Amino acid sequence: GESVGLHLPTLSVQEGDNSIINCAYSNSASDYFIWYKQESGKGPQFIIDIRSNMDKRQGQRVTVLLNKTVKHLSLQIAATQPGDSAVYFCAENPPGSSYKLIFGSGTRLLVRP
Amino acid sequence: DVKVTQSSRYLVKRTGEKVFLECVQDMDHENMFWYRQDPGLGLRLIYFSYDVKMKEKGDIPEGYSVSREKKERFSLILESASTNQTSMYLCASASASINTNYGYTFGSGTRLTVV
Repeated sequence: GESVGLHLPTLSVQEGDNSIINCAYSNSASDYFIWYKQESGKGPQFIIDIRSNMDKRQGQRVTVLLNKTVKHLSLQIAATQPGDSAVYFCAENPPGSSYKLIFGSGTRLLVRP
Repeated sequence: DVKVTQSSRYLVKRTGEKVFLECVQDMDHENMFWYRQDPGLGLRLIYFSYDVKMKEKGDIPEGYSVSREKKERFSLILESASTNQTSMYLCASASASINTNYGYTFGSGTRLTVV
């Protein structure tokens, strides 16, 4: 289930390496997906989004991949930096609503210096 | 810079008190949301509002109410605070169609402790 804090899955990477954070979404008909970053003591912040008619979208140092066959999203962060340390959430927009989001399980990313 | 502002970062209240959490957005968004975030449970939707004076229950509305008298302001009310309402509370806003407007914008959160 979803978890934040003590029970979060954690990914630990060396500074400068690439990070890959995975997310399984729930509804095969969802057509819009977002990745959020939440730093300690702050609210989640938008990182990147992707629509279901795409397989891949790139931003600055981040890439989101969408595999609709297995309902899987991934977030790739290139050349991970200490400032990337945070909790990352995926979210999906299910059919039937233009504004509702379902949040997935969070993953904590720790960047080792 | 667009913003969702929550009035308090930290609050400590006594059991049985009535608690108001305020949220204001400056993006003219139609939709506003209140979530609570707890270790092991992630983000859980308490209430949301899709228009002024309109509200709908989320997944965990018990013990809470909301008020939206103006488009920019969405208040969460704990009628009689209890210790199990100790949590981080997050407010968010969104336009009518999130897939053209980058999803939700969140506030910084209010960490509420009920003693």
